[in-house]
Amino acid sequence: QKEVEQNSGPLSVPEGAIASLNCTYSDRVSQSFFWYRQYSGKSPELIMSIYSNGDKEDGRFTAQLNKASQYVSLLIRDSQPSDSATYLCAVKGLGNEKLTFGTGTRLTIIP
Amino acid sequence: NAGVTQTPKFRILKIGQSMTLQCTQDMNHNYMYWYRQDPGMGLKLIYYSVGAGITDKGEVPNGYNVSRSTTEDFPLRLELAAPSQTSVYFCASSLDSNQPQHFGDGTRLSIL
Repeated sequence: QKEVEQNSGPLSVPEGAIASLNCTYSDRVSQSFFWYRQYSGKSPELIMSIYSNGDKEDGRFTAQLNKASQYVSLLIRDSQPSDSATYLCAVKGLGNEKLTFGTGTRLTIIP
Repeated sequence: NAGVTQTPKFRILKIGQSMTLQCTQDMNHNYMYWYRQDPGMGLKLIYYSVGAGITDKGEVPNGYNVSRSTTEDFPLRLELAAPSQTSVYFCASSLDSNQPQHFGDGTRLSIL
């Protein structure tokens, strides 16, 4: 079992709809969770960080964390063509100095 | 706001050559990381550092070396370039291990 798993996609969503990206992790004591967006040929950029169970909203983005079920998700409301990118989930375990990245989900917003 | 700066942006090496990828950050971050990303793949950690003078291996350290003499700089050295090291290399930094990592723009390296 991979430490951090994401559906590789591609995930296609109509413009204006909600895009839902999911990530599961295996380390039960993980404590820090991050979503990064990576455009083709570019470096990852931070979208959201979340540390506690529940939802965290920032503009059109909402991160959801459920530690009991070991998953973290990212919702993108009112999806725009500019949201088309690969989204990377990253998780840090307790006592671990490193992040573990998933392989990413490629999202395409269809105009 | 420079953030994390990587040089060079592109480089072509011949097999067996050596080179150093430079990374510097101006955010006074303690933690610095080197990743490689092969086409269509995820990020793989090569080396990381939790502070000046302290480095540790990541997932794929073979063929690479690092040093951390200052808080700002974390160079990555390839001693004997091999075709398998063709990749995009990203440097990142964070204040501590629980804070988000900030990435540089990357170095695209081809070994021919």
